[in-house]
Amino acid sequence: RKEVEQDPGPFNVPEGATVAFNCTYSNSASQSFFWYRQDCRKEPKLLMSVYSSGNEDGRFTAQLNRASQYISLLIRDSKLSDSATYLCVVQRGASKIIFGSGTRLSIRP
Amino acid sequence: ETGVTQTPRHLVMGMTNKKSLKCEQHLGHNAMYWYKQSAKKPLELMFVYSLEERVENNSVPSRFSPECPNSSHLFLHLHTLQPEDSALYLCASSQDGQGPGYTFGSGTRLTVV
Repeated sequence: RKEVEQDPGPFNVPEGATVAFNCTYSNSASQSFFWYRQDCRKEPKLLMSVYSSGNEDGRFTAQLNRASQYISLLIRDSKLSDSATYLCVVQRGASKIIFGSGTRLSIRP
Repeated sequence: ETGVTQTPRHLVMGMTNKKSLKCEQHLGHNAMYWYKQSAKKPLELMFVYSLEERVENNSVPSRFSPECPNSSHLFLHLHTLQPEDSALYLCASSQDGQGPGYTFGSGTRLTVV
């Protein structure tokens, strides 16, 4: 079983829709959680950190559920420019950093 | 220049060649990383350098040899690679090793023939 698991998608949704995806992690010692975004043939870029209390950045909301060991990302009012692969990242310690395989999102006009 | 710069952007090499990938960061960070991204696989952490000392080596074959001469530069020396080593190699940097709130370079797309 992979330490970090994501639904690979692709999620294909119309512009303006709300879309959510989850990521599960298996190691309860994991300390920090992040969502990264990677555009086709580009490097990953930090989208947002994920906190137990939940956090929001504009149209994006991230949530952490430590009891069930999953994190989620919600995108409201999706835009064409949101099309990308979203990577779930779990960290324990300075150098134990595990990336999920990513969830592909495609927004159609 | 700003951010994290990687060269070359693309590299094709034969299995008997020796080549090096270069990474340079202009962010004043003190930790640097090499990642490998293969098609349809998650990013794999290869090496971590913190304050120019290697602190992590994730069972990477010896045909990959990292070098960190100072906190701004990181190299990945390649020799006698295999076709399955073809991938996107990404460099990243962070401050105090507190990744992954770190910055990635654009990567080197490596093809081994």
